Amino acid sequence: SQQGEEDPQALSIQEGENATMNCSYKTSINNLQWYRQNSGRGLVHLILIRSNEREKHSGRLRVTLDTSKKSSSLLITASRAADTASYFCATDARTSGSRLTFGEGTQLTVNP
Amino acid sequence: EAQVTQNPRYLITVTGKKLTVTCSQNMNHEYMSWYRQDPGLGLRQIYYSMNVEVTDKGDVPEGYKVSRKEKRNFPLILESPSPNQTSLYFCASSRSGVSNQPQHFGDGTRLSIL
Repeated sequence: SQQGEEDPQALSIQEGENATMNCSYKTSINNLQWYRQNSGRGLVHLILIRSNEREKHSGRLRVTLDTSKKSSSLLITASRAADTASYFCATDARTSGSRLTFGEGTQLTVNP
Repeated sequence: EAQVTQNPRYLITVTGKKLTVTCSQNMNHEYMSWYRQDPGLGLRQIYYSMNVEVTDKGDVPEGYKVSRKEKRNFPLILESPSPNQTSLYFCASSRSGVSNQPQHFGDGTRLSIL
């Protein structure tokens, strides 16, 4: 079964609005990463948050991590049409050795 | 330019005809891995390699082989492809392991097995 699960599966917003995506996971982790995938292309790393961190920022991105709830959120502020993509969380579970497990992703559509 | 290069990008072939998808990285990364992406299933890891001559199974290794004879290359081999291996495949690399390391992905190989 998937370690990480994103919610919602799909999100459609207007340009300028904020987009929030959530990720839940099942077992204790070392780190959690967020990736972006444009249609048909490879994944691009966005941000990594360690298990002892609660919040991290990178430009218009804000990631939070709540290890007690086993969940993370990715907030994209002031969204742009170019942010349209699929977003995935990936976890490095403490019991999985050197393996990264991805969720099924959230498809974000930002309408101009 | 730092990159992960996969070839071919697209391939249509028939059941049972052996094929190899190549993956090469120019970042001197120790860790390389292969994933397949299917609708509704997300990305699933097939095999990974911590370093030269060190490979290990991921979540869905059946029907696949890999080798890591050189640091930069990590080919994925389908000895006898079957239709259920029709998928979008990604190679990825990182400096060392997955802890604290962002993965660099190739652009993908779309395989269709008829």
